[in-house]
Amino acid sequence: QKEVEQDPGPLSVPEGAIVSLNCTYSNSAFQYFMWYRQYSRKGPELLMYTYSSGNKEDGRFTAQVDKSSKYISLFIRDSQPSDSATYLCADYTGGFKTIFGAGTRLFVKA
Amino acid sequence: DGGITQSPKYLFRKEGQNVTLSCEQNLNHDAMYWYRQDPGQGLRLIYYSQIVNDFQKGDIAEGYSVSREKKESFPLTVTSAQKNPTAFYLCASSIRGQGADTQYFGPGTRLTVL
Repeated sequence: QKEVEQDPGPLSVPEGAIVSLNCTYSNSAFQYFMWYRQYSRKGPELLMYTYSSGNKEDGRFTAQVDKSSKYISLFIRDSQPSDSATYLCADYTGGFKTIFGAGTRLFVKA
Repeated sequence: DGGITQSPKYLFRKEGQNVTLSCEQNLNHDAMYWYRQDPGQGLRLIYYSQIVNDFQKGDIAEGYSVSREKKESFPLTVTSAQKNPTAFYLCASSIRGQGADTQYFGPGTRLTVL
């Protein structure tokens, strides 16, 4: 079992839709999760980070953690074509180690 | 203008050759990392370094080597011992390399073996 799993997609939505991106993790002692956005042929950039439980909002983006089901989510409101990218979830597991998911490809159609 | 630079953007290697990928940062970060990204897989850690003149193997270090002679620089050499080197290579840095540090990534180098 992979430590962090994501549906690879692609996920295709019309502009303005609410997008839900999801990740499951197998074990996290530190409960510190991150979402990165990666445009094609570019390096990932940090979107949000969140600690255990509840929601964290930043503009159109909301990160949510459900510890009981080991599920983390990223919601994008009013999605734009510029949101088209691959979204990676990541789990900090201690020391130097961060485990990255394989990413979900998102396409937002104008 | 702070950031991480990687060069070259594209690199082609013949089988049996060693190649070196450059990574430079001017963020004054102590920690630097090298990851490999393949389609359908998460980023996999090759090597990391928390301070100058010290580095540690990650999950997939075989066939790779690094050096950390300067704080700003962390070059990665892909040796001929790496059997499947075609991939997208990402360098990252973070302030300390301990605790839940945010990692900042460079633009990547795409290596193709001919």
